[in-house]
Amino acid sequence: NAGVTQTPKFQVLKTGQSMTLQCAQDMNHEYMSWYRQDPGMGLRLIHYSVGAGITDQGEVPNGYNVSRSTTEDFPLRLLSAAPSQTSVYFCASRQGAWETQYFGPGTRLLVL
Amino acid sequence: DQQVKQNSPSLSVQEGRISILNCDYTNSMFDYFLWYKKYPAEGPTFLISISSIKDKNEDGRFTVFLNKSAKHLSLHIVPSQPGDSAVYFCAAKGGGGSNYKLTFGKGTLLTVNP
Repeated sequence: NAGVTQTPKFQVLKTGQSMTLQCAQDMNHEYMSWYRQDPGMGLRLIHYSVGAGITDQGEVPNGYNVSRSTTEDFPLRLLSAAPSQTSVYFCASRQGAWETQYFGPGTRLLVL
Repeated sequence: DQQVKQNSPSLSVQEGRISILNCDYTNSMFDYFLWYKKYPAEGPTFLISISSIKDKNEDGRFTVFLNKSAKHLSLHIVPSQPGDSAVYFCAAKGGGGSNYKLTFGKGTLLTVNP
């Protein structure tokens, strides 16, 4: 049972490059979210989705795009990477109740 | 403006003793609170939750207390075990914003010494 998977585990980008962080879940969960965690900070919501085809912005959406074409996948796109986007990114999914929210293992991103 | 605060960055306790992790919030419209546990290089995992209509919830060694008038909640772990060593995040839902969003504190690193 894979749960929530994220790829890559680690990535180094140069300023201005674009990339997509992949997230997939095999639990048929409706809700999916992307968070970032910076040193000494809690998790902050970037974007979320309440179902296939429906996405919305969280606290810190600038510089990121998302789409949800299938229930399983929720990729996060960095359009033009900036050093301020250096962070650990977590994808999460849940089915209704918050207690069912599962997080992926994270993607560590370094932007030079 | 930090709406969920965990003012102790770290806590160290002896195995077998009680661990008490604290969390304060400023938004009186938060209606649900959760604690997550996070090991290094892993994602957070759900630990225990409490609704704002309750003042206590217990699950095995873990108990969460909510004091609404003080806007304060605490997580008690009794007895503490070395495997409990992790970062603990307090999170709150609601607050007048989206019901699809959790607001997290900065976390407290708990170290349980054998």
